[in-house]
This record gives sequence, C-alpha cells and structure tokens, in this order.
Amino acid sequence: GQQLNQSPQSMFIQEGEDVSMNCTSSSIFNTWLWYKQDPGEGPVLLIALYKAGELTSNGRLTAQFGITRKDSFLNISASIPSDVGIYFCAGRQGGSEKLVFGKGTKLTVNP
Amino acid sequence: DGGITQSPKYLFRKEGQNVTLSCEQNLNHDAMYWYRQDPGQGLRLIYYSQIVNDFQKGDIAEGYSVSREKKESFPLTVTSAQKNPTAFYLCASSPQGAFSGNTIYFGEGSWLTVV
Repeated sequence: GQQLNQSPQSMFIQEGEDVSMNCTSSSIFNTWLWYKQDPGEGPVLLIALYKAGELTSNGRLTAQFGITRKDSFLNISASIPSDVGIYFCAGRQGGSEKLVFGKGTKLTVNP
Repeated sequence: DGGITQSPKYLFRKEGQNVTLSCEQNLNHDAMYWYRQDPGQGLRLIYYSQIVNDFQKGDIAEGYSVSREKKESFPLTVTSAQKNPTAFYLCASSPQGAFSGNTIYFGEGSWLTVV
C-alpha cells in the first residue's frame, strides 16, 4: 500500500527548543492528520486539516495543509519533556476510506 | 466513559493457534478499523468496516479474519495462517465513512506475542 514520506525519522532536542517535522507524498490528499503515540499506547489525534493552505494550532502545536495538497508539516514550540513520543502523519485521498500513515518521527526531549 | 476498548492488552499465542482480539466502542461510530504496528513500519491496515455486516480487506489481510455483527463491536481473529503475528494491534473507529472527511480515533492497543 501507499505510504507517506515522513521526516525526520528521529529528533533529539533540548527542552525549550522548537521542533518541525513534515510529510510528503507524490499523490494529492484531501485530509491530513497528525497523531502522537506514547510507548505501548494508541495514537492520539493532535490536529486535523481538511483544506489546502489551512493552518491550525492546538496549544504549542501548529500544523499546515500544504497548498499543493501533497504535504503537511507539524511544528512544536517551546518543547517540554512530555512531548516525547512518536508523531505520525496520516492522509486520506479523495473517495478513499483508507488512511495512509507515515512511519513516524520519534522525538526525544532532553531536560 | 466513552471510547474504544481493546482487550486483552497482552496476549500470548502458541504457534498454530487462532486468537481473537476484542474491540468495543461506545461512540456510536459507523466505521471501525484494525491496524497492525511493527517497529519502523508505521501503521498498516488489516481490515475495515463501514457498516454492520460488511467489511473490506486492507493492505495486509492475509491470515486475519473479522466480523461486524454489531455496530459497537469489531473483533479480529489472528489465524494460524498468519506467519508472523507478533505485533502491536490497534483498533480504531470513525463517526462516518471516508467521504465525510472525518478523522479516526484509536484504542489503546493489544500486544500479541507468539511463543
């Protein structure tokens, strides 16, 4: 099945730093979603994007739906230790029931 | 509490045995999904169901079976035909099907280990 290209694979940052990660695809998507997964738990939805160019914030998190509809990025500002986890992007193409997932970005925050 | 409940959290299976993972949701969601997660591979879709008594294969359906007899329940059976079943299994649900653009929400997952 199709997969999204998510980068970077992992990040090691200091507490207080800003973080940016992105997902790209060769296909057009009409929905982009960002999830966070803690070890041994299910992914939790952070932000949902439904419109090209849309910029949405959720606290210190900001995500954008790329204008080309082939990419999306997630920014985390002023990181804190509890931001540690794996962040997944997911996209849905028009007319499809399926979500396509990236392989995740593993974030480590050093206090 | 509203949500998606998966059980058991941890399950050990002997080779050659079938096992069934339970997924129940009280969110009144129409669509339900099963994903498999392996390290470094993200989430892969096994089966999904948009309505009671109907389901479709995902990308890695071989060796798995499902049923959708009730709206709130979508159990997954890992059969002996699945050659490498050790993984983290995630159930999810969505208020409506794909065309509404609705997002999906996940349960807390079940770890299956073959011993």
